[in-house]
Amino acid sequence: GAVVSQHPSWVICKSGTSVKIECRSLDFQATTMFWYRQFPKQSLMLMATSNEGSKATYEQGVEKDKFLINHASLTLSTLTVTSAHPEDSSFYICSARVTGGANTEAFFGQGTRLTVV
Amino acid sequence: GQQLNQSPQSMFIQEGEDVSMNCTSSSIFNTWLWYKQDPGEGPVLLIALYKAGELTSNGRLTAQFGITRKDSFLNISASIPSDVGIYFCAGPRTGTYKYIFGTGTRLKVLA
Repeated sequence: GAVVSQHPSWVICKSGTSVKIECRSLDFQATTMFWYRQFPKQSLMLMATSNEGSKATYEQGVEKDKFLINHASLTLSTLTVTSAHPEDSSFYICSARVTGGANTEAFFGQGTRLTVV
Repeated sequence: GQQLNQSPQSMFIQEGEDVSMNCTSSSIFNTWLWYKQDPGEGPVLLIALYKAGELTSNGRLTAQFGITRKDSFLNISASIPSDVGIYFCAGPRTGTYKYIFGTGTRLKVLA
C-alpha cells in the first residue's frame, strides 16, 4: 500500500514552454501532497504544499506564478512549470501523506527529471 | 529555520561491514524518518521513529530516535552491494506535516 506515482518520469522541453507533472496516490487518499525539487548531488528542497480544494502554499523564494499547483481531487496533484528556462532543469519529486492516518510517514513518487533546452 | 545535518557526507565500505550514520539538528523533532534514494528515483521509506529513545529494525537496518529528540542514528549491518545509494533523514517542521530533509549520506559498497 501507500503507492505514489508520478508522470512523466522524464521530460525534455524547449525554453519558454510549459510542462505539467502529475502526482497520484494510487491506493489511498491524500488531502495534502508536497512538491520537492532536487538538484544534482543535493538534498530534497520543499517547494510547496498542495492542498485538495484550496490554494497551494509555497516555500519562501518559490515563485507561485511559475510553479502552478492544482490539487483537484483526493488522489491527484499537478505541478506546472510555466515558461520553463534551463535553470528550471531539475528532479521534481512529489510526496503524499495518508489522510487521517495515525502516523505521519510521507511516501514519495519516483520523481520526474525535467530538462529544459 | 530547522536544519538537519548528516554525517558522514559519504563513505566507502567493504561488503560485509557494518555502517553507521547519524542525523543531528539544533531543534527538536517529534518524528524521524530514514529514506534511501537510488539514482534517478524517489526516496523510499526505510524506517519511521515516533518516540524518543525508540529503537526500530527493518531487516539489516536499525534506527534509533535520540533521547534528546535532536538526533537519530541509522545502522546497516553486513552491508551488501545493493545498499549503495544516498540515505536521508527527514523530519516534519514543528506543528506541520512538511518534511525537511537532511544533507544526505552517500554510501558506496566495495565488493
